[in-house]
Amino acid sequence: SQKIEQNSEALNIQEGKTATLTCNYTNYSPAYLQWYRQDPGRGPVFLLLIRENEKEKRKERLKVTFDTTLKQSLFHITASQPADSATYLCALYVKTSYDKVIFGPGTSLSVIP
Amino acid sequence: EAQVTQNPRYLITVTGKKLTVTCSQNMNHEYMSWYRQDPGLGLRQIYYSMNVEVTDKGDVPEGYKVSRKEKRNFPLILESPSPNQTSLYFCASSFSHPGTVSYNEQFFGPGTRLTVL
Repeated sequence: SQKIEQNSEALNIQEGKTATLTCNYTNYSPAYLQWYRQDPGRGPVFLLLIRENEKEKRKERLKVTFDTTLKQSLFHITASQPADSATYLCALYVKTSYDKVIFGPGTSLSVIP
Repeated sequence: EAQVTQNPRYLITVTGKKLTVTCSQNMNHEYMSWYRQDPGLGLRQIYYSMNVEVTDKGDVPEGYKVSRKEKRNFPLILESPSPNQTSLYFCASSFSHPGTVSYNEQFFGPGTRLTVL
């Protein structure tokens, strides 16, 4: 069956450390993958998009990798801050009976001062 | 300010009472979409629209209707709500369809928390 999995447990890290979030998928061949941030009671906000022919992408303190062989994306936040505490969603674009973006369940990140 | 707005933000209703959740975007986006978010299930697409008068089913369309008579508006209609439609709903829009080269991101509204008793 097709599925997207993210870190099943909430992630707690110390301020200043690097947070690494995982997105694994099975039985999909995504053309690209996105990461969104969602704060409690608010809509998701786009962070980064990485295409299947790209290995790595960076934006300020954020870094995303995309390994189509392992079927995995890693999302890193370096020098983490309490303001980075949120839920992070990965999303894949796939072509099935219709084109669609499929979201993972999300990982809750808490950065402890 | 570029944004997607939804109304109402919170709604408690009873089984069978028709309701409409409005969605409007001011970015002249072609693609609009409705999602529901339930704990542990992630965001699931209900309906989407490629442009005015062009709508199609997503993954969980049962019990919902949509219309796209104007580019900026994409209302979600529940003709006869049931308790299993209790959820957090998000409207989203993007400049182009997710399958196009120019696509980059979806802009989400603030959400509508619906409770059906």
